[in-house]
Parts: sequence; C-alpha cells; structure tokens
Amino acid sequence: DGGITQSPKYLFRKEGQNVTLSCEQNLNHDAMYWYRQDPGQGLRLIYYSQIVNDFQKGDIAEGYSVSREKKESFPLTVTSAQKNPTAFYLCASSHPGRVDSNEQFFGPGTRLTVL
Amino acid sequence: AQSVTQPDIHITVSEGASLELRCNYSYGATPYLFWYVQSPGQGLQLLLKYFSGDTLVQGIKGFEAEFKRSQSSFNLRKPSVHWSDAAEYFCAVGSTGNQFYFGTGTSLTVIP
Repeated sequence: DGGITQSPKYLFRKEGQNVTLSCEQNLNHDAMYWYRQDPGQGLRLIYYSQIVNDFQKGDIAEGYSVSREKKESFPLTVTSAQKNPTAFYLCASSHPGRVDSNEQFFGPGTRLTVL
Repeated sequence: AQSVTQPDIHITVSEGASLELRCNYSYGATPYLFWYVQSPGQGLQLLLKYFSGDTLVQGIKGFEAEFKRSQSSFNLRKPSVHWSDAAEYFCAVGSTGNQFYFGTGTSLTVIP
C-alpha cells in the first residue's frame, strides 16, 4: 500500500532536548511538507521541500530544522530553540508537476509533548 | 496574499439534517480548492477538490462543494449528516507553487 508513515505516534521529551520526527513516503512524490497543528489555529507550514537536497522555510520555521537526503524521507528536528514545541505535527507529500492531482497526502501525525 | 477563512469554528447538527460548512478564500489567480476531514488524533483525508470546469464537485462520503468565483467561496455541503461525519473539516487553497493555505477548521458535532 502506498502512503505516508510518521513515527512515533506519541513522543515525549524534556525541555532542552532536541528530538527528530520521522516521515517516510512511498508515493514517489517530489514534494514533502511539515505542518504544525495547534487547537484553533489550523495547520501552519514549518518547512517544505520540492526536490531532494533542497528545502524552504515556511511560516514558522524558527526552532526547527529539516533535511531531504532521499526522495522518500523528510525528517523534522525540533530543537531546544523552539519555545513552545508541544503540538501535533503532520507530514504531507504531493506531486507538484501534475496540475490535476496536486493534492497533498497526509501522514497520521506525531503528537509531541514537552515535559 | 493568499488566505482561507472558515467563519464557523464549531457547528452542531442533528443526525439526518443537512449541512453546509462555509469557506472563503483570497487568491489572485484561479484557485485550486480542497476540503479535508480530520478525525481526532489522525491525519487529514481529502474529501474533494476543484481545479477547473464544473463548479459543483462531488466528493467521497456523500459530500459536495460549489465554487462561486463571484463570492470567493467554496462551501461544503451534505444533504443528510451521519453520526460518523463528526470531525474537523479544513478548507484549503493551493497555489501554483504547490504551497497550501489552510483555514482554521470547523469542528462538527452530530447529535442523535
């Protein structure tokens, strides 16, 4: 089955620690995205990548970092510089070259809680 | 600047009643419009999308949406709501650069 996997589903970390969230897709999509979701605020874009070895900051990139070494993988690191990291994180992918199907496909999400 | 407004934060309907969720967008060119649904603690699932052509689009689970350019709206409708439709609904507009802009969501409660 093709899709997007995110792991772990729940993640706890202590203040001051960096943590990396995994996102893997087998849809052969070029573009991948990371969103943060907080109650009442919808989805806010953290980073996105249109192609391997390239990525751009979204609206709320401060305190986060990403890498895109493989087409299938787009891990997100939440650093200790992120002041309020507790949130639900969603990864998505899309095939931007096709206008008729540039919908974004979402993973199941990772809930990060800072203790 | 691109933006999406969902004016209703929370809606409650009775099972079997009709439903309309509002979405207004701001976008300079012809928009690509989407409705997604999210169950608690889950990812987003695409309900339907509009790219061009017929302004009334059909989606999964009996949902439909109508694109009205003059009103910059893309409202989601369902003629008869089921208890399983209770969820959060997000409207989104996609740009040619494939960035998406999401509304803040509408939470739907269905009462028996």
